[in-house]
Amino acid sequence: EADIYQTPRYLVIGTGKKITLECSQTMGHDKMYWYQQDPGMELHLIHYSYGVNSTEKGDLSSESTVSRIRTEHFPLTLESARPSHTSQYLCASRTGGAYNEQFFGPGTRLTVL
Amino acid sequence: AQSVTQLDSQVPVFEEAPVELRCNYSSSVSVYLFWYVQYPNQGLQLLLKYLSGSTLVESINGFEAEFNKSQTSFHLRKPSVHISDTAEYFCAVNRNSGNTPLVFGKGTRLSVIA
Repeated sequence: EADIYQTPRYLVIGTGKKITLECSQTMGHDKMYWYQQDPGMELHLIHYSYGVNSTEKGDLSSESTVSRIRTEHFPLTLESARPSHTSQYLCASRTGGAYNEQFFGPGTRLTVL
Repeated sequence: AQSVTQLDSQVPVFEEAPVELRCNYSSSVSVYLFWYVQYPNQGLQLLLKYLSGSTLVESINGFEAEFNKSQTSFHLRKPSVHISDTAEYFCAVNRNSGNTPLVFGKGTRLSVIA
């Protein structure tokens, strides 16, 4: 059972609002990831972190930002939401080497009107 | 860099029929290979993985995948599908050294028809 949580699960918000999507894991994993999932279900890596105070941009350019002040917490922030940000956002974490499983949260489905 | 190609975006199949979901990868270094499954309104879950050793790996719910180095493939198979197997399936690859993130394919939607 994966202990990785995302809140909110669903969010409908107006254009221009600032939002923060929360992601927390209780497994002590050092590596954490944010993916954006298209309506056609393809996954795009937008941010990742190797540990506290480490953040990197992923393959897909994103207007969002992330922070990693605590091991268990990896929030994603949109300063000014736009309709183009409408998508599902998945958080994941992993420990150790590349052979280890990535655990995924249930996702946040964001709709920007 | 690694890349993954899932050749079929959608696969409809009748219940109790066999199914194969195809996955090809590209990499200049040795890799680990994974299949993840995503049920509706949920995150992804690991189905099975290949790290080394036997090229045939199995999951607890009857799926299996075979690593074929010469064809750079890692196809997923099940001899008899159930309605509950309806989901999105993602193939993923990671180089077997360093900290690079997983690279995912575009996914294959498996629809099992009663």
